[in-house]
Amino acid sequence: GENVEQHPSTLSVQEGDSAVIKCTYSDSASNYFPWYKQELGKGPQLIIDIRSNVGEKKDQRIAVTLNKTAKHFSLHITETQPEDSAVYFCAASNLNSGYALNFGKGTSLLVTP
Amino acid sequence: GAVVSQHPSRVICKSGTSVKIECRSLDFQATTMFWYRQFPKQSLMLMATSNEGSKATYEQGVEKDKFLINHASLTLSTLTVTSAHPEDSSFYICSARPIAAPGSSYNSPLHFGNGTRLTVT
Repeated sequence: GENVEQHPSTLSVQEGDSAVIKCTYSDSASNYFPWYKQELGKGPQLIIDIRSNVGEKKDQRIAVTLNKTAKHFSLHITETQPEDSAVYFCAASNLNSGYALNFGKGTSLLVTP
Repeated sequence: GAVVSQHPSRVICKSGTSVKIECRSLDFQATTMFWYRQFPKQSLMLMATSNEGSKATYEQGVEKDKFLINHASLTLSTLTVTSAHPEDSSFYICSARPIAAPGSSYNSPLHFGNGTRLTVT
């Protein structure tokens, strides 16, 4: 089955700096890669996703890049703000798993003022 | 749009009792819903895939007789934890995927509820 590795597990940045979280996946059949933000005691919230037919997608301060050959994808947050502090999860899915999401272990991001 | 409502948000029950958790898609229909379990400071682990009108598909190691799933309509799936024990205490999260548009080669994004914190005493 699919195995998603995520790094780093914790990340601390100063407000205004950029944050980058990286994930790798094992199943070359995976074709959908979402990123979720989870605040304490809440469910994950989809913040951005990318499909295998594109290499990059951007939404304001958030961007995701995908390298299918290397089987890795990254989340980039620019101009970080304290409210960006949360746990971020990457995930991968494909038809073989019924498009269920396989999650990475999460990155706890702390943005300090 | 794409709101998933999960109820209750918190529940405390005694060992041996059963607890039902509801997951509703409020503004879309979903033929497939997924149930995840999350332990503190850990990732989300898929428990089962719930398909409307048919039996759920359980992941390896998840007891289907203990975690009963019913997906009776396109907007409602329920998870019942039967004969709960303290080790079942966890954060249970459901998710739902809107039905893809006709002709689409990709599935719609998955949206999550806000989870249910189950504590078994």
